[in-house]
Amino acid sequence: KAGVTQTPRYLIKTRGQQVTLSCSPISGHRSVSWYQQTPGQGLQFLFEYFSETQRNKGNFPGRFSGRQFSNSRSEMNVSTLELGDSALYLCASSSRQGPSYGYTFGSGTRLTVV
Amino acid sequence: DQQVKQNSPSLSVQEGRISILNCDYTNSMFDYFLWYKKYPAEGPTFLISISSIKDKNEDGRFTVFLNKSAKHLSLHIVPSQPGDSAVYFCAASYQGAQKLVFGQGTRLTINP
Repeated sequence: KAGVTQTPRYLIKTRGQQVTLSCSPISGHRSVSWYQQTPGQGLQFLFEYFSETQRNKGNFPGRFSGRQFSNSRSEMNVSTLELGDSALYLCASSSRQGPSYGYTFGSGTRLTVV
Repeated sequence: DQQVKQNSPSLSVQEGRISILNCDYTNSMFDYFLWYKKYPAEGPTFLISISSIKDKNEDGRFTVFLNKSAKHLSLHIVPSQPGDSAVYFCAASYQGAQKLVFGQGTRLTINP
């Protein structure tokens, strides 16, 4: 079956702009989580959605937001981009809520802010 | 506050030998631990996990050991193969948390 699909794969944006990233989970998976990977901070949790509800949020500013649709697809939005937002953004899906049930990650969206 | 630490940024091992990757954690609430493997330009791939009620879990060439008193876990790969060259992340979670806390990763290189 198809894996977790993230679009676009690569993105270049200018400081101050906003960006929307998309994630399609594995069919039947209702939990979607987002992580940010940077060389300095490693992999950091952004938020998790389950059945269209945000269940948990990481320690990121309000410029980072997300949502989940009824078909479990998820989007994350970053407004007023800063240079430090350049990172690999990873989406993971799971059939049930919580990481102990096994997360499958997508290949990520590489965002570069110039 | 780095709750999960992988103190070795890199490790080089000869093909056929044992690779041992280490991870330390500080949060006593963690009760579930996972190892992920990541190739460049790909997302992390789940390798193996262990619950805090166990001290060892084995899956083929991969074994994870958990020492709760030392708050330490390790991943053993035997024998190491060239395809094992990747970045390995240790991650932890606890009951009720809907997130993983990752270590910084260790780059493993298997030399022929």
